[in-house]
Amino acid sequence: QQPVQSPQAVILREGEDAVINCSSSKALYSVHWYRQKHGEAPVFLMILLKGGEQKGHEKISASFNEKKQQSSLYLTASQLSYSGTYFCGTGGATNKLIFGTGTLLAVQP
Amino acid sequence: KAGVTQTPRYLIKTRGQQVTLSCSPISGHRSVSWYQQTPGQGLQFLFEYFSETQRNKGNFPGRFSGRQFSNSRSEMNVSTLELGDSALYLCASSSGRGGLPSTDTQYFGPGTRLTVL
Repeated sequence: QQPVQSPQAVILREGEDAVINCSSSKALYSVHWYRQKHGEAPVFLMILLKGGEQKGHEKISASFNEKKQQSSLYLTASQLSYSGTYFCGTGGATNKLIFGTGTLLAVQP
Repeated sequence: KAGVTQTPRYLIKTRGQQVTLSCSPISGHRSVSWYQQTPGQGLQFLFEYFSETQRNKGNFPGRFSGRQFSNSRSEMNVSTLELGDSALYLCASSSGRGGLPSTDTQYFGPGTRLTVL
């Protein structure tokens, strides 16, 4: 089942913060976060694993609540380069990576 | 290290035709996953190959098939194309050392844009 992302879209000014949420109805082993700019491939940002292990981008942080099957991506002091569509991908018992429909983030000067 | 490469980058086909897309993973990576991306559905998982074996499959009809070669390169084939198959097809490679694609970092290629007329 596809995870639900919120918000669907957000507009920020440079320097502002944003939080993107990802929620699943199924038990999760992992949550992946990717950013995709228009016409480009998705770029890996972070992976959070059950048990607390995290791997990813130094300037981006995220949380993973295993009990609630939820993850949040925290973007602080946003820059123009943060613009793009953010996808969460959830990994569960089926071992497939299932992606949400994305959150469009636009950072304005 | 070179990234994931996909060929061709763009394809235009007509309904009923078939198409083959190619993906070369990052050197040393043994797992290749394929995804279909459309504006309405987002990224949809097609299948995943590891060491020439299909380990997992998404909910797509049998017209969508794939294979992986001994050098980890992968191909996907779509037969009897329909208008709804128009999409960006992305492949992603991972080392496979993590054991599962759901716990392993996926590195995406630039995709093949398929248009079915």
